[in-house]
Amino acid sequence: NAGVTQTPKFRVLKTGQSMTLLCAQDMNHEYMYWYRQDPGMGLRLIHYSVGEGTTAKGEVPDGYNVSRLKKQNFLLGLESAAPSQTSVYFCASWGLLNTEAFFGQGTRLTVV
Amino acid sequence: EDQVTQSPEALRLQEGESSSLNCSYTVSGLRGLFWYRQDPGKGPEFLFTLYSAGEEKEKERLKATLTKKESFLHITAPKPEDSATYLCAVHQAWDSSYKLIFGSGTRLLVRP
Repeated sequence: NAGVTQTPKFRVLKTGQSMTLLCAQDMNHEYMYWYRQDPGMGLRLIHYSVGEGTTAKGEVPDGYNVSRLKKQNFLLGLESAAPSQTSVYFCASWGLLNTEAFFGQGTRLTVV
Repeated sequence: EDQVTQSPEALRLQEGESSSLNCSYTVSGLRGLFWYRQDPGKGPEFLFTLYSAGEEKEKERLKATLTKKESFLHITAPKPEDSATYLCAVHQAWDSSYKLIFGSGTRLLVRP
């Protein structure tokens, strides 16, 4: 049972570079979420999706874009990375029949 | 504005010393309140879901309760392995959005 898989697990970017984080879930869940976690800040919602082809902004969407072309995948893009985007990124998914959201193991991103 | 506030930010207990963590919330259209445990370098791990005021759930040394404005996570006779960050989250379903909003967490340290 893979659950929620995030790739990559670690990445170092230079300021201005772009990259895409991939979240894949094999549970046929409708809802998917991207969070960032900074020390002392808890989990802050970046973007989320309630179904294939739909996305919505969360609490801290600036500097990020997302896409959900397939139900099982939710991509988070950074077009021009900034040091302020250094963080740990978590993806989560949730099905309508579930009582909990399932999380990936996180991606540690450093922007220098 | 929707908000989830956890207190205290950090808590140090001696092994066997019981205590409670608080999660207060102000959200529209609450559909559920969740407690997660997070160990360093890992994704959040699900503990409980509560749906209505008066509901209680237990798991080993943990007991979660819910009122109309807040939830408590009671820890009875904690052990060092209970040391972790405990996160509270609310599932909001309002105006066709399905946000999962987290508090900033309580860092628990249980000393032997």
